Amino acid sequence: GENVEQHPSTLSVQEGDSAVIKCTYSDSASNYFPWYKQELGKGPQLIIDIRSNVGEKKDQRIAVTLNKTAKHFSLHITETQPEDSAVYFCAVQYSGAGSYQLTFGKGTKLSVIP
Amino acid sequence: ETGVTQTPRHLVMGMTNKKSLKCEQHLGHNAMYWYKQSAKKPLELMFVYSLEERVENNSVPSRFSPECPNSSHLFLHLHTLQPEDSALYLCASSQEEAVNTEAFFGQGTRLTVV
Repeated sequence: GENVEQHPSTLSVQEGDSAVIKCTYSDSASNYFPWYKQELGKGPQLIIDIRSNVGEKKDQRIAVTLNKTAKHFSLHITETQPEDSAVYFCAVQYSGAGSYQLTFGKGTKLSVIP
Repeated sequence: ETGVTQTPRHLVMGMTNKKSLKCEQHLGHNAMYWYKQSAKKPLELMFVYSLEERVENNSVPSRFSPECPNSSHLFLHLHTLQPEDSALYLCASSQEEAVNTEAFFGQGTRLTVV
């Protein structure tokens, strides 16, 4: 099955700095790569996703890059703010027929220090 | 508010109890999921229902029994649980189509087995 590795497990940055979280995956047939943000006491919420026909996607201060050859993708948060503090999960999905499973990384706890 | 509501938010139960977790989605989705989230482990997919039929069961012990009476409701029936089953149980829903789509999560039920 799919194996997703996420690094780092914890990340502390000063407010205004950038944060980068990286994930690698094993199944080259995977073609959907969402990122979720989980705040304390809440369920994960999608913040950005990318599909295998796109190399980079940006939405305001967050961006995701995908390297299918190397089988890794990254989340970039620029100009970090205290409200960005949360746990971030990458996920991978294989878009084959009848496939429903998102495989998640272990998460990265991001702390933005004011 | 994600459109996915889970009740109760917190549950403490003894190992001989029987309880049920409830999930309701107001998004018109046709697929629903149960995930288990334990400390320092990735989100683990437990069950998938598509069009009210179970399509995946990831080797979950029989002490967890899902039920999907219609496309808007999902239950997880619990009996004779073990302390290691203590975790956050998350429900999610999505619209299963040819293209991968976002999974919307509820806020979870924090389960403690004593």
